[in-house]
Amino acid sequence: QVQLQQWGAGLLKPSETLSLTCAVYGGSLSGFYWSWIRQPPGRGLEWIGEIDHRGNTNYNPSLKSRVTISIDTSKNHFSLKLSSETAADTAVYYCARTAVVSPVAYDYWGQGTLVTVSS
Amino acid sequence: QSVLTQPPSVSGAPGQRVTISCTGSSSNIGADYDVHWYQQRPGLAPKLLIHSNSNRPSGVPDRFSASRSGASASLAITGLQEEDEADYYCQSYDNTLGGFLIFGGGTKLTVL
Repeated sequence: QVQLQQWGAGLLKPSETLSLTCAVYGGSLSGFYWSWIRQPPGRGLEWIGEIDHRGNTNYNPSLKSRVTISIDTSKNHFSLKLSSETAADTAVYYCARTAVVSPVAYDYWGQGTLVTVSS
Repeated sequence: QSVLTQPPSVSGAPGQRVTISCTGSSSNIGADYDVHWYQQRPGLAPKLLIHSNSNRPSGVPDRFSASRSGASASLAITGLQEEDEADYYCQSYDNTLGGFLIFGGGTKLTVL
């Protein structure tokens, strides 16, 4: 059974950089896209971006200038960095894996990390 | 504002049928990109409910069904149960600005 376990700092000051990591247990990184998705409190889901096991990335155009997603196949994990944080970036951040049946649907999710940006 | 439009809320009594719409445009659903649906209970990560327009992953009850037509999609839930009370999100792909994944704004289902 695949499990995604994520961690990272939960409280940031404005202008700091968010850094989260998602470890994959029970499965390989190969053959899937690994994504980050966020959800501001009380609001809907927003796709941040994705990476494959080769390191190929795609980002949401609205966040592209501030986002870096990387992957470490030796540790079976992938990471998110989002720079120049503002209060608008306060959200629960999820890591997720695309499904076997579709490269753009997500069947495994991390537990979520609440990141609060506040001075 | 989300690229995919969903009603903020729907409700129904136990045993009834409800539908949730998801309206897109010619750059996403209307461009023949697949629609996927998720269920999210409070405090939990979303759960894949329907993939590729109308397919249920293993373990999802057949009370859940979905379809896509033109630039819209819909999720139907029959035989409503209290446990169905949750937020529901549609998801697709948009081919503008180089292409990216998009979600609807979400619909809160209340079981009366």
